[in-house]
Amino acid sequence: EVQLVESGGGLAQPGGSLRLSCAASGFTFSSYSMHWVRQAPGKGPEWVSYISTSGTTIYYADSVRGRFTISRDNAKNTLYLQMNSLRAEDTGVYYCTRVDWDVDHWGQGALVTVSS
Amino acid sequence: EIVLTQSPATLSLSPGERATLSCRASQSISTYLAWYQQKPGQAPRLLIYDASNRATGIPDRFRGSGSGTDFTLTISSLEPEDFAIYYCQQRSTWPKLPFGGGTKVEIK
Repeated sequence: EVQLVESGGGLAQPGGSLRLSCAASGFTFSSYSMHWVRQAPGKGPEWVSYISTSGTTIYYADSVRGRFTISRDNAKNTLYLQMNSLRAEDTGVYYCTRVDWDVDHWGQGALVTVSS
Repeated sequence: EIVLTQSPATLSLSPGERATLSCRASQSISTYLAWYQQKPGQAPRLLIYDASNRATGIPDRFRGSGSGTDFTLTISSLEPEDFAIYYCQQRSTWPKLPFGGGTKVEIK
């Protein structure tokens, strides 16, 4: 069974940093590209970032480019999202997802709150 | 940038009724459209991909149609568990996967 478990969420001050992790199991992690998707309270999902299997191809939403960094450690079966220069509008639930076009898998989400 | 506009924002219906949800793209995306269902406290769940293909395990009361710029998700007869928020997602810019604003299907 595919499992994705996010961790590292919490409260951060504006301008601060957090690093999210997503532990993957139940599949060959190194064979799949991965995404981060977030959802602000009461809003729809927003795609955030993508990383290819080897980590060589990366994309970001305009709203986070230059502040967030996606990475992966295939030896540890773990996906990361380093979030710097956090803003109030970055508040929300962050999901790691594996999207295979005709099927997808989501974690339970990690809550990030940016507030002073 | 391709923008997805969903309508209506809210649909108030009774169990057993038919639901028709619309998603319009600001430019043609062929059939590169997916539909998701989300319930409170849960992650989104894939219902439809490539505009009209049901994902594994999705009941056949869910039907997707359309191409180009206009897409429809139809739920033929609403079950109690279908009351949720539905989002469309365009995949023509894969791996960038923007979502629409959502339609809430609520109990009348």
